[in-house]
Parts: sequence; structure tokens; C-alpha cells
Amino acid sequence: EAQVTQNPRYLITVTGKKLTVTCSQNMNHEYMSWYRQDPGLGLRQIYYSMNVEVTDKGDVPEGYKVSRKEKRNFPLILESPSPNQTSLYFCASSLSFRGDGNQPQHFGDGTRLSIL
Amino acid sequence: TQLLEQSPQFLSIQEGENLTVYCNSSSVFSSLQWYRQEPGEGPVLLVTVVTGGEVKKLKRLTFQFGDARKDSSLHITAAQPGDTGLYLCAGAGSNYQLIWGAGTKLIIKP
Repeated sequence: EAQVTQNPRYLITVTGKKLTVTCSQNMNHEYMSWYRQDPGLGLRQIYYSMNVEVTDKGDVPEGYKVSRKEKRNFPLILESPSPNQTSLYFCASSLSFRGDGNQPQHFGDGTRLSIL
Repeated sequence: TQLLEQSPQFLSIQEGENLTVYCNSSSVFSSLQWYRQEPGEGPVLLVTVVTGGEVKKLKRLTFQFGDARKDSSLHITAAQPGDTGLYLCAGAGSNYQLIWGAGTKLIIKP
């Protein structure tokens, strides 16, 4: 089954304790991205990757890191989490990102992070 | 900065009624996508509109892209409880990013 898999689905942790949210897709997609979703603010892009070893900042990259060493995986790293990073996080992938953006984004089921 | 404004933010109506959700911007988008998100899940693509003035139908859902490609609407005819969810629009912006609206939370009461 074609899917984007995120882990964990839920995590409660404390300020300053490094954490990683994994994301894996089995569709051989080139483009992957991370979003956070907050009430009233919609989806805001954190980082995206056009292909292996190519990553770039989205709208809200501060406090986050990513890597793209393999095509299928795109982990999100919070080196020193803070309470303002409490949010619902989504990983997404698409076949590519052509200039017209005319490619469907496939989303994981989300990771709810609570930073105390 | 490109922005997409969705309205209304929240809509609660009775089963069988019609409704329209709007997605507006001052920027031109090369294409615009509509997604539906249900609790505990990620957004799922409903449709992509590409050409100015384009109209696409998906059963009881009608999507329209404005002539100037700055706005879009989603019209639902005879809404059903299964239509309940968060509806999101996303426009293809510059720098390989999708610009997202904040969403319309729709509740259809039986």
C-alpha cells in the first residue's frame, strides 16, 4: 500500500530533550516536506527536500533540522525542543514539485508533540 | 509574501443544505488544490484546478478556479454528515512551496 509513515504518532517530552520524528514513504517520491499545523494558522511548512541531499527552509524553520540521506526517509529533528514547538506535525511527499505545483501531496497521519 | 485566505473559518449546517467555501488571494497561482482532512488523519487531495475559469465536479462537490487564478470556491450541494471535516486550499507559490489557507471546519448535522 502506498503510504507515508510517521513515528511516533504521539509524544510528550520536556524542554531541551532532543527528539526525532521519522518519516518514510514507499512511493519513490522525490519531493518531501514537513509541516506543523496549529489552530487558526493552517499548515505551515518547516522544511522541504527536492531530492536526496537537497533540503531547504520553509516558512518556519527555526528550531528544527532535517536530513535527506535516502530518498525514502526525511526525519525531523528538534535539537532542543521548547514549549512553542508543541504542535501537530505532518510529513508529506509528492512525485516531484514541478513549477506549476500540480502534483498531489500525500500526507502521513500526523505526530502530536507536546513539549512541557 | 503570498497569502491564501479561506472563509468561513467555521460552518455548521443541517444535512441537505448547500454551502460554499471560498479561498482568496491577491496573488496569482499557477494551480490550486483542495484537500479534506478528517480528525486523526492527514489531508487528502480532492482536486487540482489549473486553468483560469476551470470548473471541476466531484459528485456533489463543485470546484471553481477564478478567471484571474487568484481565487477559488468549493460548493457542496445537499451536504451529508460524511462531508464533515476540515477543508484546506493550497496554491502553488514560488520557491517550490505550496501556500496553504487556514482551513474551513465544516460540520454537517444529521
